[in-house]
Formats: sequence, structure tokens, C-alpha cells
Amino acid sequence: GAVVSQHPSWVICKSGTSVKIECRSLDFQATTMFWYRQFPKQSLMLMATSNEGSKATYEQGVEKDKFLINHASLTLSTLTVTSAHPEDSSFYICSVGRGGFDEQFFGPGTRLTVL
Amino acid sequence: GENVEQHPSTLSVQEGDSAVIKCTYSDSASNYFPWYKQELGKRPQLIIDIRSNVGEKKDQRIAVTLNKTAKHFSLHITETQPEDSAVYFCAASKAAGNKLTFGGGTRVLVKP
Repeated sequence: GAVVSQHPSWVICKSGTSVKIECRSLDFQATTMFWYRQFPKQSLMLMATSNEGSKATYEQGVEKDKFLINHASLTLSTLTVTSAHPEDSSFYICSVGRGGFDEQFFGPGTRLTVL
Repeated sequence: GENVEQHPSTLSVQEGDSAVIKCTYSDSASNYFPWYKQELGKRPQLIIDIRSNVGEKKDQRIAVTLNKTAKHFSLHITETQPEDSAVYFCAASKAAGNKLTFGGGTRVLVKP
């Protein structure tokens, strides 16, 4: 399979501040990672596809200037929530696909609470 | 883009009974359909998946069926147990390992 980690597992911040979430592929090099957001009692919604060495591809309705994605290496993608507001409070989960495997491998998620 | 609808949103069954969750998808190019179980605060856990070249797949108490013509697929859980209580999501993708579009989820409660 694949091992994916996220850091931090949870974070509380004040409104207006920025928060960075890391997603790491621990046992293989991932050229593509996916970022999902899940509000309480709702489904997972794809936010963007993170591509190593190039710009991320954002889904319709996701503000690219607010959710900055950097995929600077084959093992690390970061999501920065800029000028966070309470409505950004959510569970953020990354995932990776791996050649030879059908399934996607999810990170453990990061719970963001904006006060 | 792809749209996946899932029914029912909640399902309560007696222990030992069967549970069935149904999903429909809109994009005929989708060819990979996984099902996930998610417990509160945890990552989704793959429980079974099916590719479009297969009509049915079974793994112990869990089975998935796919009707490509009708663009719908279903999850069947037999002999339900209390530990099956969780939220279940279906999803669709145009290729295995590619981005997923999720259904709205089904909260399953298995009553002892």
C-alpha cells in the first residue's frame, strides 16, 4: 500500500491568521496528491489536485488565493489556509494514488478550528 | 463534472439483517467505484471497490454490484454486526488512483 501522514492532526487558530497543513507520502514518491475538505456530518469534497513541480488544479468554487497548495517535492504537499475564518473550520484530508494499486491512500486528516 | 448521489442518508437495521446502500453516477467515463467506511474523526477506510469491467464483487459479508448501463452501483452488507455502525461513502473516479467524487454518505446504525 502506501503510508500517508498529515501534520498537524488538529489546529486551533484565530480568525485572520494563516494555517499550514502538511501531507507526506512516507514510503513512495507521489507526483500527485489530492486535498479534500469535509464539513461536519457531510461528505468529502475535492478541493484541488496537487502536482509536483507545477501549479495545483483547483475544483470549481475553491479560491486558489485562499487555499495555497505547494507540492515542492515528491513526498510533501502543503495546504495553507490564508486569512482563515470560522467558516473554514473543517476536516482537511489528503490522499495519494500509487501505480499498481487501485485504491487511493488517505492521510489521517487535520481538524481545523477557526475561532 | 461527475455527480454521485447516494441513498439512503440514514439506515437503521437490526443486528443480523442485511443493509443495502445505493449510488448513482452521472459520468459514463467513470470506471472505478470504491466504497469507504468512516468512523468519527478518522480517515475513510476502503472496504471494497469495483472496476467497470466487473458486474459484481464479494468479500466475506460485503458485496458490491455495478450496473454500467443504468449508472448505478450498490453496497450490500449481510449479517450486520454492531461494529458495522459507521458512515459509508460511495465514490466514483475515471481511473483508479485518480481524484474521487464522493456520494453524500449513509449513516448506518446496527441495533443489537
